[in-house]
Amino acid sequence: KAGVTQTPRYLIKTRGQQVTLSCSPISGHRSVSWYQQTPGQGLQFLFEYFSETQRNKGNFPGRFSGRQFSNSRSEMNVSTLELGDSALYLCASRAGLASQETQYFGPGTRLLVL
Amino acid sequence: AQTVTQSQPEMSVQEAETVTLSCTYDTSESDYYLFWYKQPPSRQMILVIRQEAYKQQNATENRFSVNFQKAAKSFSLKISDSQLGDAAMYFCAYRSVLNNNDMRFGAGTRLTVKP
Repeated sequence: KAGVTQTPRYLIKTRGQQVTLSCSPISGHRSVSWYQQTPGQGLQFLFEYFSETQRNKGNFPGRFSGRQFSNSRSEMNVSTLELGDSALYLCASRAGLASQETQYFGPGTRLLVL
Repeated sequence: AQTVTQSQPEMSVQEAETVTLSCTYDTSESDYYLFWYKQPPSRQMILVIRQEAYKQQNATENRFSVNFQKAAKSFSLKISDSQLGDAAMYFCAYRSVLNNNDMRFGAGTRLTVKP
């Protein structure tokens, strides 16, 4: 099975712009989670989607949003970019919502905001 | 809220030796899962090992084992016979059973393996 894929891998934007990141989960996985990883804050949970519904959301401003499509692919959008949004954005998928299920991570999208 | 603490920002080990990475967590819940993830320089996060809180037996995966002390809320990772390929960032993570959508990660420990 192919792993979790994320596009694009690298992105450079300027302040005030918006950006959309894409994540394709492992085939058959219905849950997709997004994380922001920065040197200062580490890995922080953004949100999780399951069957096109947002199940939980981390402590991020409303500029961060996401959605999931019927094929389980997910997109994350950040509007009005700020310098502090520069980070590695990781997507992870798991088959369902059982707590013991392993999350499989993608390679990440590195976003640089200038 | 649950928090995960990794008190060792960096660790170093000689090839073929054993190293232990520390992790403590804070929770009032009795049922949860703990994970160790490895993030090599290529950035793909990989699951190393998983522990279920209701199981007293420590999890083991080949050269990787954990020392799970539930009362002390401690979950350390032992890597035996360290290899150069073990060099990576290691993250300890907690997932509640009650709210299994929320996974909390520690700040990570950067492991260097010296040849």
